Amino acid sequence: GIQVEQSPPDLILQEGANSTLRCNFSDSVNNLQWFHQNPWGQLINLFYIPSGTKQNGRLSATTVATERYSLLYISSSQTTDSGVYFCAPETSGSRLTFGEGTQLTVNP
Amino acid sequence: SAVISQKPSRDICQRGTSLTIQCQVDSQVTMMFWYRQQPGQSLTLIATANQGSEATYESGFVIDKFPISRPNLTFSTLTVSNMSPEDSSIYLCSASGGETEAFFGQGTRLTVV
Repeated sequence: GIQVEQSPPDLILQEGANSTLRCNFSDSVNNLQWFHQNPWGQLINLFYIPSGTKQNGRLSATTVATERYSLLYISSSQTTDSGVYFCAPETSGSRLTFGEGTQLTVNP
Repeated sequence: SAVISQKPSRDICQRGTSLTIQCQVDSQVTMMFWYRQQPGQSLTLIATANQGSEATYESGFVIDKFPISRPNLTFSTLTVSNMSPEDSSIYLCSASGGETEAFFGQGTRLTVV
């Protein structure tokens, strides 16, 4: 099956800093999604992004499908951005394969 | 976006017993899935819940252990059977329209003692 690698595994930031999270995947995919899991365990869909760039407020994502990677940018980070960020490429049958995640801690 | 309600939100169960988790979506959806998230780990797909037919299980998961029902386009159940402490995890229901973003329920935190 598809292999998904996220980096870095852990990231600690001061409030206001910017960061880039990376997701590499081993095979062609139908699309890719980014999720944020908050400290209470709820998974929130951030982006549905098979290719190109999308922006939503302080967050943006870019997927380069031909090179099998995606990037999530977080600008002007806030303490509420803390949690785990997962990328999940989608393969046949709309099935998602999750990476191991990036644990983000934003300190005040 | 779809709103997904899962219940129970948490439970503590005795080993050897079974627990059924319910997932209700506020609109008809094409695809429903069940995932497991073991403590401190990522999500792993258990199965695709197919409406009106048997679920499609991923490698390492079997119907006898995780029977799934999907009687209509808005509802599904997952049963964790003959539980052991190794089944202690968060179980999550997901829904999508197919080729659209996926949404998740709040999860069921299961502890087996």
